Amino acid sequence: EVQLLESGGGLVQPGGSLRLSCAASGFTFMNYAMGWVRQAPGKGLEWVSGLSGSGGITHSADSVKGRFTISRDNSKNTLYLQMDSLRAEDTAIYYCAKDSTYYYDSSGYDSWGQGTLVTVSS
Amino acid sequence: IQMTQSPSSLSASVGDRVTITCRASLGIRNDLAWYQQKPGKAPQRLIYAASSLQSGVPSRFSGSGYGTEFTLTIRSLQPEDFATYYCLQHNFYPWTFGQGTKVEIK
Repeated sequence: EVQLLESGGGLVQPGGSLRLSCAASGFTFMNYAMGWVRQAPGKGLEWVSGLSGSGGITHSADSVKGRFTISRDNSKNTLYLQMDSLRAEDTAIYYCAKDSTYYYDSSGYDSWGQGTLVTVSS
Repeated sequence: IQMTQSPSSLSASVGDRVTITCRASLGIRNDLAWYQQKPGKAPQRLIYAASSLQSGVPSRFSGSGYGTEFTLTIRSLQPEDFATYYCLQHNFYPWTFGQGTKVEIK
């Protein structure tokens, strides 16, 4: 059974940094692309960032480009999201999600974690 | 790519047929998935490749479409189907979700 467990959320001041982690189990982690999706309180889903199975190909939304960095450690079956220069509008639940393929011919995210809340406030 | 989802909300009764539409600003082939989200829970995939039913999802859910117009249909609404539904295009980066459709009890 696929399990994705996010951690690292919390309260941070504007301009601060936070690193989210997502521990994966139940599948061969290196064989699948992964991503982060967020949801601001009472709002819809927003795709944040994604990367290939090797981590060599990454993509990010314009809203976080230059501030957030997605990465993975396949030896630890863990996905990361380094978030710098945080803003109030980054306040959201951040979900880790597993893609259905290594990178090409994706059919979207087929499994999701339960999310971790990030609050950016002074 | 912009994904325009409609309606933003709807009220329906148990047993009703419900249709939700997503329109893409550019052609995305069939690179579209549908998700259901219940309050306080993570989204769950219902449909992938526009019309393929996710394993374990009831057959009352179906998807159709190609290119720019896509539809999610719930054939006979059940109490457990009251939730918010989202489409996701994964043809072009950045991937984009529709704004969501909240299905409420009439």
